[in-house]
Amino acid sequence: NAGVTQTPKFQVLKTGQSMTLQCAQDMNHNSMYWYRQDPGMGLRLIYYSASEGTTDKGEVPNGYNVSRLNKREFSLRLESAAPSQTSVYFCASCRDRVVSEQYFGPGTRLTVT
Amino acid sequence: SQKIEQNSEALNIQEGKTATLTCNYTNYSPAYLQWYRQDPGRGPVFLLLIRENEKEKRKERLKVTFDTTLKQSLFHITASQPADSATYLCALPPDQTGANNLFFGTGTRLTVIP
Repeated sequence: NAGVTQTPKFQVLKTGQSMTLQCAQDMNHNSMYWYRQDPGMGLRLIYYSASEGTTDKGEVPNGYNVSRLNKREFSLRLESAAPSQTSVYFCASCRDRVVSEQYFGPGTRLTVT
Repeated sequence: SQKIEQNSEALNIQEGKTATLTCNYTNYSPAYLQWYRQDPGRGPVFLLLIRENEKEKRKERLKVTFDTTLKQSLFHITASQPADSATYLCALPPDQTGANNLFFGTGTRLTVIP
């Protein structure tokens, strides 16, 4: 099993450009999450999908959209990138929407110039 | 507003000693608390989950305590080794429902000196 995979690993965007970060898991997990990690701020939840067909805002959703394409895949879209979105983005999944450990992907390092 | 504090940004400890990391929280009543390990350039890896009705949980050289009165969790690594050097994160759910949309602390970077 590959676990949680993310593409791309690195990306540089210019201000105003758009892009989609891809995430897939092969563990048949129900819930999936997108976090961003910034120095001194820790991991912050952007959006999550408690189950296939549902998505909800997390702590810092502004400037992002998500799609739960199917049970395996959960994508994060930046419609008009801003320098404040420079960060490391992690996708995670877990078996259940309650009381369950999360499995993280390797991350995408995004720089917006 | 909800707040999670991990006692120090960095902790250096001699190999073989016990490392103790602290996670304090305010304005939460979490149903459980989790600890993760993160190595540089990698995603966090789950270590332990402790529920509010459990005082202590152990896994090999790891021990976690959870004091809901003090609003604090302690994470211990006994007989520490250089391979234990990493950043350790605590994470809490937002409320008593047990929902998994976690809030994370900023982490404590542990260095075990040979």
